[in-house]
Amino acid sequence: KNEVEQSPQNLTAQEGEFITINCSYSVGISALHWLQQHPGGGIVSLFMLSSGKKKHGRLIATINIQEKHSSLHITASHPRDSAVYICAVRSVGDKLIFGTGTRLQVFP
Amino acid sequence: DGGITQSPKYLFRKEGQNVTLSCEQNLNHDAMYWYRQDPGQGLRLIYYSQIVNDFQKGDIAEGYSVSREKKESFPLTVTSAQKNPTAFYLCASSNPLLTAGHQPQHFGDGTRLSIL
Repeated sequence: KNEVEQSPQNLTAQEGEFITINCSYSVGISALHWLQQHPGGGIVSLFMLSSGKKKHGRLIATINIQEKHSSLHITASHPRDSAVYICAVRSVGDKLIFGTGTRLQVFP
Repeated sequence: DGGITQSPKYLFRKEGQNVTLSCEQNLNHDAMYWYRQDPGQGLRLIYYSQIVNDFQKGDIAEGYSVSREKKESFPLTVTSAQKNPTAFYLCASSNPLLTAGHQPQHFGDGTRLSIL
């Protein structure tokens, strides 16, 4: 079993829909990252959080340390949001463990 | 604009041939990393360097080598000992003074390596 699990693996949506991507982990962590990988392969860091909730534009990330779960929400989704979203946790020893990603496609 | 430049974007290798992937950053970051990405798997750490002239093996270092002669450059050589080199390779860098621990903040656009 992977130490970081994401769901769903694939997600399609119509433009304007509210989207949720989930990340569960089984190790102790000091922080959790959400990353966005563009179709060309480049990766952009979206959030780093260790508690509570962060918001940036239409993106919201939450984390529940007790439940070992994080969610990434996208409000009013747009085709340009189409990408792979990757969850990564910083475990003991500062090692980063990556999930396998959620591929999101938003259709107009 | 500061960032990480990886080259080439696509690279083809004949079996038995060593190839070197370039990674350059102008962010003045001390730490640099190389990751490998395979379909259906999370990124895996190959090598990392926290300072010039020093580097450490990651989880899957076998068949790879690196050097860190300059702060801005961290080239990765895929040797003929790497039996399954076809993958997408990502370079990253971080400034440990800004992050708790040595964790990647910026990523390059990647190099896709294929065997001919």
